[in-house]
Amino acid sequence: GENVEQHPSTLSVQEGDSAVIKCTYSDSASNYFPWYKQELGKRPQLIIDIRSNVGEKKDQRIAVTLNKTAKHFSLHITETQPEDSAVYFCAASTGTNAGKSTFGDGTTLTVKP
Amino acid sequence: DVKVTQSSRYLVKRTGEKVFLECVQDMDHENMFWYRQDPGLGLRLIYFSYDVKMKEKGDIPEGYSVSREKKERFSLILESASTNQTSMYLCASSPLRGIGEKLFFGSGTQLSVL
Repeated sequence: GENVEQHPSTLSVQEGDSAVIKCTYSDSASNYFPWYKQELGKRPQLIIDIRSNVGEKKDQRIAVTLNKTAKHFSLHITETQPEDSAVYFCAASTGTNAGKSTFGDGTTLTVKP
Repeated sequence: DVKVTQSSRYLVKRTGEKVFLECVQDMDHENMFWYRQDPGLGLRLIYFSYDVKMKEKGDIPEGYSVSREKKERFSLILESASTNQTSMYLCASSPLRGIGEKLFFGSGTQLSVL
């Protein structure tokens, strides 16, 4: 089955700096790569996603890049703010098996004011 | 907005008890999932369902079963709870599209087995 590895497990940055979280996946059939943000005590919520026919996607301060050949994708957050502090999960899924997602272990991002 | 509702936010049970965790979604989604969340281990899939009365094992199904008698409701059952099943349980749903779709999560049930 699919295996997703996520690095780093913790990341601390100063407010205004950029943050990058990287994930690798094993199943070349994976074609959908979402990123979820989970604030303390809350449910995970999608912040951005990318499909395999696109190499990069951007939404304001966040962007995701995908390298299908190398089987890795990354989340980039620019001009970080304290409210960006949360746990971020990457995931990978295919169109089969109800589109079930395999998640990385999560990255705890702390933005220091 | 999609609403995925889990019946309990916190639950305390004793070893050996049968435990039911309920999840209801209101957006007519075909797919429903049960994940378990433990610190440092991400979200691990227990079971999922793509239709009424259909269920499939995820990555860690041992010690769990599920029931989907109605499209909107997906129940997770711990037949005989054990202390290693103490965890946060997250239910999620997504529409059937043929390709991956984002998950809508419930608020989670923190289960403690004593």
